[in-house]
Amino acid sequence: GNSVTQMEGPVTLSEEAFLTINCTYTATGYPSLFWYVQYPGEGLQLLLKATKADDKGSNKGFEATYRKETTSFHLEKGSVQVSDSAVYFCALSDSGAGSYQLTFGKGTKLSVIP
Amino acid sequence: EAGVTQFPSHSVIEKGQTVTLRCDPISGHDNLYWYRRVMGKEIKFLLHFVKESKQDESGMPNNRFLAERTGGTYSTLKVQPAELEDSGVYFCASSQDVGGYNEQFFGPGTRLTVL
Repeated sequence: GNSVTQMEGPVTLSEEAFLTINCTYTATGYPSLFWYVQYPGEGLQLLLKATKADDKGSNKGFEATYRKETTSFHLEKGSVQVSDSAVYFCALSDSGAGSYQLTFGKGTKLSVIP
Repeated sequence: EAGVTQFPSHSVIEKGQTVTLRCDPISGHDNLYWYRRVMGKEIKFLLHFVKESKQDESGMPNNRFLAERTGGTYSTLKVQPAELEDSGVYFCASSQDVGGYNEQFFGPGTRLTVL
């Protein structure tokens, strides 16, 4: 079956530090890959996505590249801000069952301190 | 445009009781998904509605869980009787149906605590 493994947290960084959250996946098909973010008290929001190999998703300064050869989709940001403090979830969607259900990693809590 | 809403935001019940969670999707979204996150674990898929029909319910843990979506609008998820291991955060998401993958918009979740 499908699975997503992401770096366990929590991660604490100083403002303007470089961020990497590792994510690897296992899928039976050819999945689309996503990063979702959950800010305190809110629902999950799509941060970025990539639908095929070598695609780079980007949004709000965050980037992730779909690497089929290493089955990875690591999230990076060059300079984090306090407002980036949230829980980040790596996820995949495989349409094999026709339902486009998302398979998530466990989530990584990021805290950015001034 | 209103987002996905869920009610209640938090529910605390005794083991053996019944709880019903409600999800109102974004207007016009035919797809509705339920997910659950048990403490410390991944967010897990429960089931998927297309309008009022269950497209995929492979993630439903057992027959104590019953999901409905009458009229293809809002959905309810009933747990009866609740067990301790049902505690967690239940998320609802909705998406349009225009072919292929469409972004799922999530609600804030319902935190269920079974004592």
